[in-house]
Amino acid sequence: SAVISQKPSRDICQRGTSLTIQCQVDSQVTMMFWYRQQPGQSLTLIATANQGSEATYESGFVIDKFPISRPNLTFSTLTVSNMSPEDSSIYLCSVATGGTDTQYFGPGTRLTVL
Amino acid sequence: KQEVTQIPAALSVPEGENLVLNCSFTDSAIYNLQWFRQDPGKGLTSLLLIQSSQREQTSGRLNASLDKSSGRSTLYIAASQPGDSATYLCAVRPSAAGNKLTFGGGTRVLVKP
Repeated sequence: SAVISQKPSRDICQRGTSLTIQCQVDSQVTMMFWYRQQPGQSLTLIATANQGSEATYESGFVIDKFPISRPNLTFSTLTVSNMSPEDSSIYLCSVATGGTDTQYFGPGTRLTVL
Repeated sequence: KQEVTQIPAALSVPEGENLVLNCSFTDSAIYNLQWFRQDPGKGLTSLLLIQSSQREQTSGRLNASLDKSSGRSTLYIAASQPGDSATYLCAVRPSAAGNKLTFGGGTRVLVKP
């Protein structure tokens, strides 16, 4: 299994500012994933982060809005830039590990943009 | 494009009743299917993972079945308890190399004491 922690757990931010979310895993993993869950919705993959290379973004998500860092095999950050109220969501970090490739999720960061 | 549907969107049962949660997917070419639990405002907890070659998985009061050919999975929770109240999500993974999970919309469960 994998234990994932995220910081901050929640934040309230002003429109136009940026927030960086940190994700720490208790074991080394090749890929880390960032998901977004908008209010009342299911999860949508934002991007996949590999250590030592550029993140791969899904359709509808761009690097300028959601820059990602992956400095080592246990850590990643997601920045939500130039925020608007539409960015209010839960942001979740995830990894797949183990022989069965079970997907594990962090506790999430609950972001409210005013 | 894979689509995952969970019906019903919400379910309310008295304590002790068995829960049956449904998940359907349009593309049967999947690598695995995973069931998660999500408490309000929280992250996801993995409940069960079924590989495409398996028909079911069990853990305690939970049993998940998979019928890949018909594009269906069912999560059974026996003898429900108020602590089982949560949203249950299913997600499919397309291949061993493809890590993008496609999620259903979830079923919100309330178990009344």
